[in-house]
Amino acid sequence: GENVEQHPSTLSVQEGDSAVIKCTYSDSASNYFPWYKQELGKGPQLIIDIRSNVGEKKDQRIAVTLNKTAKHFSLHITETQPEDSAVYFCAASIITGRRALTFGSGTRLQVQP
Amino acid sequence: DGGITQSPKYLFRKEGQNVTLSCEQNLNHDAMYWYRQDPGQGLRLIYYSQIVNDFQKGDIAEGYSVSREKKESFPLTVTSAQKNPTAFYLCASSIAAFAWGATGELFFGEGSRLTVL
Repeated sequence: GENVEQHPSTLSVQEGDSAVIKCTYSDSASNYFPWYKQELGKGPQLIIDIRSNVGEKKDQRIAVTLNKTAKHFSLHITETQPEDSAVYFCAASIITGRRALTFGSGTRLQVQP
Repeated sequence: DGGITQSPKYLFRKEGQNVTLSCEQNLNHDAMYWYRQDPGQGLRLIYYSQIVNDFQKGDIAEGYSVSREKKESFPLTVTSAQKNPTAFYLCASSIAAFAWGATGELFFGEGSRLTVL
């Protein structure tokens, strides 16, 4: 099965700085890589995703990069704001395969005002 | 408002008791999932269902059972066989598990926190 590793487990940055969270996956057949944000007391919400036919995707202050050869993908948040403070999860799956999402262990991001 | 409703939000159980967590969705999604969340371990898949009357075990199915008799509902029973049931349980749904072109986005409920006393 798939195994997703996520680093770091905690990350503290100053408001306005950038934050980077990295994930690696084990199954080369995986082709869908979403990122979810979980605020305190809530369920996770999708913030951005990328498919294996794309190397990078950007949505305002958030970007995701994918290196299929190395089997790793990263979330980049620029100009961080206090409301970015949350737990972030990466995940991997096969869109057309018979497998649900496998999540990483999560990164707690704290943005200091 | 469309969404996923989990109940109860908090639940206490004595050792040896079974307990059922409710999950209802009105998004008309085919696929539904149960994840368990423990500190430092992320989200681990318990069971998932792609269609009514069908479900598959996830990575940590032992000690749990599910049913999918209606499209809208996917209840999870935590049985006395689950050795460490204290956790935060998340239910999710998606349009279709494996439809070509689907975004694959999961929509989560707000979770149920189970504590075994």
